[in-house]
Amino acid sequence: GAVVSQHPSWVICKSGTSVKIECRSLDFQATTMFWYRQFPKQSLMLMATSNEGSKATYEQGVEKDKFLINHASLTLSTLTVTSAHPEDSSFYICSARDIGLGRETQYFGPGTRLLVL
Amino acid sequence: EDKVVQSPLSLVVHEGDTVTLNCSYEVTNFRSLLWYKQEKKAPTFLFMLTSSGIEKKSGRLSSILDKKELFSILNITATQTGDSAVYLCAVEDLYSGAGSYQLTFGKGTKLSVIP
Repeated sequence: GAVVSQHPSWVICKSGTSVKIECRSLDFQATTMFWYRQFPKQSLMLMATSNEGSKATYEQGVEKDKFLINHASLTLSTLTVTSAHPEDSSFYICSARDIGLGRETQYFGPGTRLLVL
Repeated sequence: EDKVVQSPLSLVVHEGDTVTLNCSYEVTNFRSLLWYKQEKKAPTFLFMLTSSGIEKKSGRLSSILDKKELFSILNITATQTGDSAVYLCAVEDLYSGAGSYQLTFGKGTKLSVIP
């Protein structure tokens, strides 16, 4: 089945540094990828929708200059948390949509845990 | 190999029916199993299960976990059209000594409730 990977799996960084998270679709092409934040025992919060070759669409309340998204290829989207602060500590999950063969299924990555000190 | 398998992939029922959605998993260092409902944008959290045999209930929805047989079920009684959604099961497991964890999602069950 389709697999979505994320790298790194977890990262600890100092406040003020930038962190890049990669999301890859391993065996299918994903024209659309989604980035979520998740807090313990809560719903996933959609941050932005990433479309290959165009600018990402950010949800209300998500700072686009803070969370930079690049979707340069059909298998890779990156989320860069710029000048990270402790309140950015969270579990970031990406998903990719496979529209091959006329089906539309969303596959989720394993998540990246970010801890900002 | 899929670590989290949901069944069925798709289900169409009439309003008032009761449905059971299945989720089986195979992970090491199991921590919890979560159920989500996804309608349009982001998955909405439903339940988190950590212990076997303890039913969690919220209105018409209930869920239970069997850690011996490695599966969970989500029941919806007296279904309504508003229950139409994709139901996702995700298993949380620890994968490093530092206590970090990852989530593995199933492919979801698409439930359609027709009047």
